[in-house]
Parts: sequence; C-alpha cells; structure tokens
Amino acid sequence: QQQVRQSPQSLTVWEGETAILNCSYEDSTFDYFPWYHQFPGESPALLIAIRPVSNKKEDGRFTIFFNKREKKFSLHIADSQPGDSATYFCAASESNNRIFFGDGTQLVVKP
Amino acid sequence: GGIITQTPKFLIGQEGQKLTLKCQQNFNHDTMYWYRQDSGKGLRLIYYSITENDLQKGDLSEGYDASREKKSSFSLTVTSAQKNEMAVFLCASSIDTSSYEQYFGPGTRLTVL
Repeated sequence: QQQVRQSPQSLTVWEGETAILNCSYEDSTFDYFPWYHQFPGESPALLIAIRPVSNKKEDGRFTIFFNKREKKFSLHIADSQPGDSATYFCAASESNNRIFFGDGTQLVVKP
Repeated sequence: GGIITQTPKFLIGQEGQKLTLKCQQNFNHDTMYWYRQDSGKGLRLIYYSITENDLQKGDLSEGYDASREKKSSFSLTVTSAQKNEMAVFLCASSIDTSSYEQYFGPGTRLTVL
C-alpha cells in the first residue's frame, strides 16, 4: 500500500499564478511532512517542511497547508516563476523511522 | 557544511554482472540511504542504515546488497544487473532518522547492456 500519494502528476501554470500541489498520507502516526524539489539533472533538495503541531508553514512564496483530520497537505507556490519549474516530491515520516516519498509532481511554469 | 560523493558517476555493466556503487559523506551523519529513481519517477528506498554496521531493508531490496562498514561510507551492490533496472541511484544521509532532513548525493547513473 502506497503510504504517500501525490497529485497531480504534472501541472502547468502561467508565470505569476499560484501553483497548488497536493499530497495525502495513510499512517496517522506520521509527524513530519517535508517537500523536496528536484531540478532537471540535479538531486532532490529539501524545500520546506511542517510538523502537525501547526496547520500552516510559510517560507517566502512557498506555503504548506496541513489538514490532520483528512490526512492531507498541500504546497502552494505563490507568484510562480519559470525558475520554479521542477519536480516536487512530498514525503512523510514518523520519529525514528524511515521517510516515505510520493511519486512527484512535475511543475512547469510558463512565462 | 558537508558533501556527499558518489562513485562512479556513470556505471555501465553487462546483464547478470555484479556491480558496486559507493557513497561517502563528510557530514558525520548517522543515517545513510540508497534510493533508486527511474526516469521521470519517484524515489524508491532500497536500503538504509542508522549506524555503522546496521542495515535496514527498504521497499526495493530484492536483488541488492548493502554494506555500512564505516560511518562515512555506504556501498550498494547490484547482485545481478538486469536491463529493467537502468536508473539513477541516489545516496542520501541525515543526522539521524529523527532529524529527518536528507541530503542527497549527485547520483550514479546505471546502464545495463
């Protein structure tokens, strides 16, 4: 059973729009929810993360919204830029345990 | 700061061949990971190790062996290379499993002829 599911598989937005990437998870004991981004030809790198003590985490144009009851979280990229074009992976983990990655959303921001 | 190095960067092998990929980190991190990333796909965990000489199986461990003889290094062996496992193999490390942020190496691209 896949522990973390992502949607959409691919997303295209225009420059300046808000891109919304979605994620859901299975295990209610997960307590850490990061988003990684991966630019073409590069390795994944941590972008932003949230713990369920809060339902929102902001870092510049990037915001995570977290819904513990529905076991869902999303990444909002405000004022999207062509340089944001990348694959975004959500993930979830539990203390002292491994992390589970989603399959990724390929984001294209058109100028 | 620190760095993760993976060798080789490109690995070409014959079907059925045993192949070894190496990873070194100088973060002094306890936990290290091996992932496989098929073209355009997500990350699938092969093995991870929470400390020297420890090994934990991931979702994709069949057909692979791993070795963590030193804290700074983690090796992955493809026991019998198959054409359907051509992919990029990514090594990562984190301070420990509870610290969570993983730092990734540049990857080894495997081609099987």
